[in-house]
Amino acid sequence: NAGVTQTPKFQVLKTGQSMTLQCAQDMNHEYMSWYRQDPGMGLRLIHYSVGAGITDQGEVPNGYNVSRSTTEDFPLRLLSAAPSQTSVYFCASSYPDAAGTGELFFGEGSRLTVL
Amino acid sequence: AQSVTQPDIHITVSEGASLELRCNYSYGATPYLFWYVQSPGQGLQLLLKYFSGDTLVQGIKGFEAEFKRSQSSFNLRKPSVHWSDAAEYFCAVGYTGGFKTIFGAGTRLFVKA
Repeated sequence: NAGVTQTPKFQVLKTGQSMTLQCAQDMNHEYMSWYRQDPGMGLRLIHYSVGAGITDQGEVPNGYNVSRSTTEDFPLRLLSAAPSQTSVYFCASSYPDAAGTGELFFGEGSRLTVL
Repeated sequence: AQSVTQPDIHITVSEGASLELRCNYSYGATPYLFWYVQSPGQGLQLLLKYFSGDTLVQGIKGFEAEFKRSQSSFNLRKPSVHWSDAAEYFCAVGYTGGFKTIFGAGTRLFVKA
């Protein structure tokens, strides 16, 4: 079972370059999210989606774009990379279980360095 | 806006000792509450979750958490810590289904022999 797959696992960019972090899930989950993890700050929500065609901003959306054209895919785009975007990025998916709560299923993370 | 505070950046306990990790949240309605664990270099794994019902919730690996509405707290406990419990622990609050889940800054647990 693949679960949540993120690519690439590692990436080095120069300031001003653009790139896309890919995320795909095969669990037919409605909800998908992108987080960044920085030391001492936990995971901060960048963008999230509650279904195909529906996205919204999280806590730290500036400098990032997302789209959700299919249930399976939720790519994260950095339009013009900055050193402040050096971080580990996690994609997650979830769905409401019978009780309404939902467990987040995480990818393995993508480590991005911006020089 | 919802927020989560974990007041302890790191905690060190002896193997076999009891553990309590603190978590306070701010949320406008009845919260969905979670504890996740992250081992070094790994993604996050759900330990337990709470929405309603019994305020004492049992999770995996022998962990439990107690929801106290009056204190806006959801503290994680384990009666006897094992060396393999050394990891970073995150408290989180979210909406139904887990979307828009907000995490605390995390507490790193060190276990000494």
